[in-house]
Amino acid sequence: GENVEQHPSTLSVQEGDSAVIKCTYSDSASNYFPWYKQELGKRPQLIIDIRSNVGEKKDQRIAVTLNKTAKHFSLHITETQPEDSAVYFCAASKIPSRQLTFGSGTQLTVLP
Amino acid sequence: GAGVSQSPSNKVTEKGKDVELRCDPISGHTALYWYRQSLGQGLEFLIYFQGNSAPDKSGLPSDRFSAERTGGSVSTLTIQRTQQEDSAVYLCASSLGAGGSYEQFFGPGTRLTVL
Repeated sequence: GENVEQHPSTLSVQEGDSAVIKCTYSDSASNYFPWYKQELGKRPQLIIDIRSNVGEKKDQRIAVTLNKTAKHFSLHITETQPEDSAVYFCAASKIPSRQLTFGSGTQLTVLP
Repeated sequence: GAGVSQSPSNKVTEKGKDVELRCDPISGHTALYWYRQSLGQGLEFLIYFQGNSAPDKSGLPSDRFSAERTGGSVSTLTIQRTQQEDSAVYLCASSLGAGGSYEQFFGPGTRLTVL
């Protein structure tokens, strides 16, 4: 089955700096890659997703890049703010099966 | 509108007892998923329902785990003869399903503690 590895497990950045989180996946048939943000004690919420027919997607300060050949994808957060502090999870799925295989998470801390 | 809801929010049980966890998906969402999140870990897929199709049970860790979805809406996850390793947060999610958005909306979870 699919295996998703996520790095780093913890990341601290100064407010205003950029943060990058990387994931690799094992199943070349995976074609949908969402990123979820989970604040302490809260439910995971989708922040951005990408399908395998595109290489990059942006939404304001957040971007995701996908390299199908290397089977890795990354989350980029620019101009980080303290409210970006949370655990971020990457995931992979094969549409239409839709079940998500998650990475182990990255605890991002933005220092004021 | 209302999001995904789950009950109870917390459940403490003794080893060997059975527990039932409930999930109410977003109205109109035909796809429903159960995941398990152990402390400090990622989310582990358990089971997936899509409309009236047979569920994908490939993630259930043992035959002590089962789930059903009645009337295409509410789902219950049952764990029989609970073990301490079953302690985790059980998250339910729903999405529009076939032909719709792939975004999965999560409930607040049920924190299960097995003593």
